[in-house]
Amino acid sequence: GNSVTQMEGPVTLSEEAFLTINCTYTATGYPSLFWYVQYPGEGLQLLLKATKADDKGSNKGFEATYRKETTSFHLEKGSVQVSDSAVYFCALSDLRTGGSYIPTFGRGTSLIVHP
Amino acid sequence: EPEVTQTPSHQVTQMGQEVILRCVPISNHLYFYWYRQILGQKVEFLVSFYNNEISEKSEIFDDQFSVERPDGSNFTLKIRSTKLEDSAMYFCASSERYSGANVLTFGAGSRLTVL
Repeated sequence: GNSVTQMEGPVTLSEEAFLTINCTYTATGYPSLFWYVQYPGEGLQLLLKATKADDKGSNKGFEATYRKETTSFHLEKGSVQVSDSAVYFCALSDLRTGGSYIPTFGRGTSLIVHP
Repeated sequence: EPEVTQTPSHQVTQMGQEVILRCVPISNHLYFYWYRQILGQKVEFLVSFYNNEISEKSEIFDDQFSVERPDGSNFTLKIRSTKLEDSAMYFCASSERYSGANVLTFGAGSRLTVL
Protein backbone atom coordinates (compact mmCIF):
# COMPACT_ATOMS: atom_id res chain seq x y z
CA GLY A 1 0.00 0.00 0.00
CA ASN A 2 0.89 3.68 0.01
CA SER A 3 2.79 5.30 2.87
CA VAL A 4 4.71 8.44 3.71
CA THR A 5 7.56 8.69 6.19
CA GLN A 6 8.70 12.03 7.57
CA MET A 7 11.55 12.89 9.87
CA GLU A 8 10.69 13.17 13.54
CA GLY A 9 10.28 16.60 15.02
CA PRO A 10 10.44 19.06 16.46
CA VAL A 11 13.00 20.75 14.27
CA THR A 12 14.32 23.81 16.10
CA LEU A 13 16.22 26.47 14.16
CA SER A 14 17.37 30.03 14.51
CA GLU A 15 16.01 32.65 12.14
CA GLU A 16 17.76 32.67 8.73
CA ALA A 17 18.98 29.09 9.12
CA PHE A 18 18.65 26.54 6.30
CA LEU A 19 15.78 24.10 6.60
CA THR A 20 15.45 20.54 5.35
CA ILE A 21 12.56 18.26 6.30
CA ASN A 22 12.98 14.78 4.88
CA CYS A 23 10.10 12.85 3.32
CA THR A 24 10.19 9.46 1.62
CA TYR A 25 7.27 7.56 0.20
CA THR A 26 6.10 4.15 -0.90
CA ALA A 27 3.51 3.92 -3.66
CA THR A 28 2.25 1.22 -5.97
CA GLY A 29 1.74 3.60 -8.91
CA TYR A 30 2.99 7.03 -9.99
CA PRO A 31 1.81 9.41 -7.28
CA SER A 32 1.48 13.16 -7.05
CA LEU A 33 3.38 14.56 -4.05
CA PHE A 34 2.43 17.40 -1.73
CA TRP A 35 3.56 19.42 1.24
CA TYR A 36 0.85 20.84 3.45
CA VAL A 37 1.45 23.29 6.33
CA GLN A 38 -0.61 23.80 9.48
CA TYR A 39 -0.14 27.07 11.35
CA PRO A 40 -1.29 27.20 14.99
CA GLY A 41 -5.08 27.18 15.28
CA GLU A 42 -5.62 26.67 11.54
CA GLY A 43 -6.31 23.80 9.17
CA LEU A 44 -3.81 22.11 6.89
CA GLN A 45 -3.23 24.12 3.74
CA LEU A 46 -1.36 23.27 0.57
CA LEU A 47 2.18 24.63 0.51
CA LEU A 48 3.42 23.11 -2.76
CA LYS A 49 3.03 20.08 -4.99
CA ALA A 50 4.70 18.14 -7.81
CA THR A 51 3.02 15.71 -10.17
CA LYS A 52 5.86 14.03 -12.02
CA ALA A 53 9.48 13.00 -11.61
CA ASP A 54 12.05 15.85 -11.45
CA ASP A 55 9.28 18.47 -11.03
CA LYS A 56 10.10 21.12 -8.45
CA GLY A 57 7.26 22.55 -6.43
CA SER A 58 7.86 25.94 -4.84
CA ASN A 59 5.97 28.51 -2.77
CA LYS A 60 6.86 31.18 -0.19
CA GLY A 61 10.58 30.36 -0.50
CA PHE A 62 10.02 26.65 0.12
CA GLU A 63 11.01 24.08 -2.50
CA ALA A 64 10.75 20.32 -2.95
CA THR A 65 11.85 18.18 -5.89
CA TYR A 66 10.12 14.94 -6.89
CA ARG A 67 12.88 12.31 -6.89
CA LYS A 68 11.55 9.05 -8.27
CA GLU A 69 14.88 7.24 -8.05
CA THR A 70 15.11 7.81 -4.30
CA THR A 71 11.31 7.99 -3.70
CA SER A 72 11.80 11.27 -1.86
CA PHE A 73 10.27 14.74 -1.71
CA HIS A 74 12.37 16.67 0.81
CA LEU A 75 11.24 20.15 1.78
CA GLU A 76 13.87 22.93 1.84
CA LYS A 77 14.06 26.62 2.55
CA GLY A 78 17.20 28.70 2.40
CA SER A 79 16.41 31.12 5.22
CA VAL A 80 13.59 30.45 7.67
CA GLN A 81 11.62 33.09 9.52
CA VAL A 82 9.83 32.99 12.87
CA SER A 83 6.55 33.08 10.93
CA ASP A 84 7.45 29.70 9.34
CA SER A 85 6.91 28.00 12.71
CA ALA A 86 4.22 25.41 11.97
CA VAL A 87 3.65 21.71 11.41
CA TYR A 88 4.59 20.43 7.93
CA PHE A 89 2.90 17.37 6.42
CA CYS A 90 4.17 15.39 3.45
CA ALA A 91 1.49 13.61 1.43
CA LEU A 92 0.97 11.57 -1.71
CA SER A 93 -2.01 10.93 -3.93
CA ASP A 94 -2.07 7.80 -6.06
CA LEU A 95 -4.71 5.85 -7.97
CA ARG A 96 -6.13 3.29 -5.56
CA THR A 97 -7.66 -0.08 -6.28
CA GLY A 98 -11.18 1.32 -6.18
CA GLY A 99 -10.35 4.04 -8.72
CA SER A 100 -10.08 6.89 -6.22
CA TYR A 101 -7.33 9.30 -5.22
CA ILE A 102 -7.39 9.62 -1.44
CA PRO A 103 -4.29 11.48 -0.17
CA THR A 104 -2.05 9.60 2.26
CA PHE A 105 -0.32 11.77 4.87
CA GLY A 106 2.72 11.46 7.08
CA ARG A 107 2.69 12.24 10.79
CA GLY A 108 3.84 15.84 10.39
CA THR A 109 7.06 17.56 11.44
CA SER A 110 6.89 20.47 13.82
CA LEU A 111 9.20 23.39 12.98
CA ILE A 112 10.08 25.93 15.65
CA VAL A 113 12.05 28.99 14.58
CA HIS A 114 13.62 31.21 17.24
CA PRO A 115 14.46 34.88 16.65
CA GLU B 1 -10.64 33.20 0.95
CA PRO B 2 -13.19 30.38 1.35
CA GLU B 3 -12.56 28.07 4.27
CA VAL B 4 -13.77 24.85 5.83
CA THR B 5 -15.32 25.41 9.26
CA GLN B 6 -15.39 22.75 11.98
CA THR B 7 -17.28 22.68 15.28
CA PRO B 8 -16.68 22.12 18.11
CA SER B 9 -12.98 22.92 18.32
CA HIS B 10 -12.68 20.72 21.40
CA GLN B 11 -15.08 18.18 22.91
CA VAL B 12 -14.67 16.14 26.05
CA THR B 13 -16.95 13.14 26.45
CA GLN B 14 -17.38 10.04 28.56
CA MET B 15 -16.67 6.61 27.11
CA GLY B 16 -19.79 5.12 25.55
CA GLN B 17 -21.38 8.47 24.69
CA GLU B 18 -22.37 9.52 21.18
CA VAL B 19 -20.48 12.38 19.59
CA ILE B 20 -21.29 14.42 16.48
CA LEU B 21 -18.59 16.51 14.84
CA ARG B 22 -19.75 19.11 12.36
CA CYS B 23 -18.15 20.61 9.29
CA VAL B 24 -19.18 23.21 6.74
CA PRO B 25 -17.22 22.51 3.53
CA ILE B 26 -16.48 25.09 0.84
CA SER B 27 -19.72 25.77 -0.98
CA ASN B 28 -18.72 24.79 -4.55
CA HIS B 29 -16.78 21.69 -3.51
CA LEU B 30 -18.31 18.31 -4.30
CA TYR B 31 -16.09 15.86 -2.42
CA PHE B 32 -15.83 15.66 1.36
CA TYR B 33 -13.49 13.80 3.68
CA TRP B 34 -12.82 13.02 7.31
CA TYR B 35 -9.32 12.28 8.57
CA ARG B 36 -8.08 11.83 12.12
CA GLN B 37 -4.75 12.16 13.88
CA ILE B 38 -4.06 10.42 17.15
CA LEU B 39 -1.44 12.37 19.09
CA GLY B 40 2.02 11.77 17.64
CA GLN B 41 0.79 9.51 14.86
CA LYS B 42 0.00 9.90 11.17
CA VAL B 43 -2.98 11.72 9.76
CA GLU B 44 -5.24 8.79 8.83
CA PHE B 45 -8.01 8.69 6.24
CA LEU B 46 -11.44 7.73 7.57
CA VAL B 47 -14.00 8.31 4.82
CA SER B 48 -14.80 10.19 1.64
CA PHE B 49 -18.27 11.30 0.57
CA TYR B 50 -19.73 12.34 -2.78
CA ASN B 51 -23.22 12.79 -4.14
CA ASN B 52 -24.75 11.97 -0.76
CA GLU B 53 -23.06 8.66 -0.31
CA ILE B 54 -19.81 7.19 0.96
CA SER B 55 -17.37 6.78 -1.93
CA GLU B 56 -14.57 5.15 0.05
CA LYS B 57 -13.81 4.26 3.66
CA SER B 58 -10.85 2.88 5.56
CA GLU B 59 -10.77 -0.09 7.91
CA ILE B 60 -10.89 2.38 10.81
CA PHE B 61 -14.37 3.49 9.72
CA ASP B 62 -16.34 0.66 11.29
CA ASP B 63 -20.00 0.42 12.31
CA GLN B 64 -19.44 2.88 15.16
CA PHE B 65 -18.88 5.66 12.64
CA SER B 66 -21.34 7.29 10.25
CA VAL B 67 -21.41 10.38 8.07
CA GLU B 68 -24.19 12.40 6.52
CA ARG B 69 -24.94 15.68 4.84
CA PRO B 70 -28.31 16.43 6.42
CA ASP B 71 -29.07 19.85 4.94
CA GLY B 72 -26.84 20.41 1.91
CA SER B 73 -24.29 22.49 3.81
CA ASN B 74 -23.24 20.64 6.98
CA PHE B 75 -21.20 17.44 6.76
CA THR B 76 -21.21 15.48 10.01
CA LEU B 77 -19.24 12.62 11.52
CA LYS B 78 -21.02 10.64 14.21
CA ILE B 79 -19.35 8.24 16.60
CA ARG B 80 -22.07 6.11 18.15
CA SER B 81 -20.39 4.85 21.30
CA THR B 82 -17.03 6.44 21.92
CA LYS B 83 -14.00 4.48 23.10
CA LEU B 84 -10.83 5.76 24.75
CA GLU B 85 -8.91 5.09 21.54
CA ASP B 86 -11.18 7.47 19.62
CA SER B 87 -9.41 10.37 21.32
CA ALA B 88 -7.81 12.26 18.44
CA MET B 89 -7.93 15.38 16.33
CA TYR B 90 -10.54 14.98 13.59
CA PHE B 91 -10.07 16.93 10.37
CA CYS B 92 -12.75 17.62 7.81
CA ALA B 93 -11.70 18.47 4.25
CA SER B 94 -13.30 19.18 0.90
CA SER B 95 -12.15 19.33 -2.70
CA GLU B 96 -13.46 20.39 -6.09
CA ARG B 97 -12.23 17.33 -7.89
CA TYR B 98 -11.25 13.75 -7.35
CA SER B 99 -8.02 13.27 -9.27
CA GLY B 100 -4.34 12.57 -8.78
CA ALA B 101 -3.34 16.19 -8.27
CA ASN B 102 -6.34 16.70 -6.01
CA VAL B 103 -5.83 19.48 -3.45
CA LEU B 104 -7.83 19.26 -0.24
CA THR B 105 -8.89 22.23 1.85
CA PHE B 106 -8.94 21.36 5.53
CA GLY B 107 -10.69 22.72 8.56
CA ALA B 108 -8.80 23.58 11.75
CA GLY B 109 -9.87 20.31 13.35
CA SER B 110 -12.01 19.13 16.24
CA ARG B 111 -10.13 17.69 19.18
CA LEU B 112 -12.03 14.82 20.79
CA THR B 113 -11.06 13.67 24.27
CA VAL B 114 -12.74 10.51 25.56
CA LEU B 115 -12.49 9.91 29.32
